[in-house]
Amino acid sequence: QKEVEQNSGPLSVPEGAIASLNCTYSDRGSQSFFWYRQYSGKSPELIMSIYSNGDKEDGRFTAQLNKASQYVSLLIRDSQPSDSATYLCAVTGRRALTFGSGTRLQVQP
Amino acid sequence: AAGVIQSPRHLIKEKRETATLKCYPIPRHDTVYWYQQGPGQDPQFLISFYEKMQSDKGSIPDRFSAQQFSDYHSELNMSSLELGDSALYFCASSLAGGGANNEQFFGPGTRLTVL
Repeated sequence: QKEVEQNSGPLSVPEGAIASLNCTYSDRGSQSFFWYRQYSGKSPELIMSIYSNGDKEDGRFTAQLNKASQYVSLLIRDSQPSDSATYLCAVTGRRALTFGSGTRLQVQP
Repeated sequence: AAGVIQSPRHLIKEKRETATLKCYPIPRHDTVYWYQQGPGQDPQFLISFYEKMQSDKGSIPDRFSAQQFSDYHSELNMSSLELGDSALYFCASSLAGGGANNEQFFGPGTRLTVL
């Protein structure tokens, strides 16, 4: 079992809809949680970071963290075709990031 | 804003050859991380440096070595290359030793192909 689990998808949503991406992690010592967006052949781009339980909003993105349930999620409102990419959940307790396998999001025009 | 710089962007080598990848972190970032991403896989942590000292070690083969220099740039040296080393190699940097917040910003990567 991977330390960070994500549904591989693809998750397909129509343009303008809300995309909901989920992630669970196994290490209760994890302290920091991140969502990266990665386009094919490109590098991961940091889009959200969250460190405490609850919600964190940044523009169209909302990250949610529940440490008791070891669960992190990312909501993308008003999804655009340009949001089509693989979304990587990453966690860390000390330094190095541990990534999930990523969820591929497809936003249909 | 300045980002992480990696060179070269593409590299083609033969089996058993050596390769050196370079990484220049974001200015004032003191911590550098190396990740390897194979086709269709998530990035795997190799090694990290903080203030020129190795700070953490992941799944880095013994054939690979790395160091961080006084100007904080880092080099990943790969010897006796194997076909399975073909991958994207990313460097990421962060501020303040990768503390609790540890936001890591990735460079564009080096695509290594071993023939």
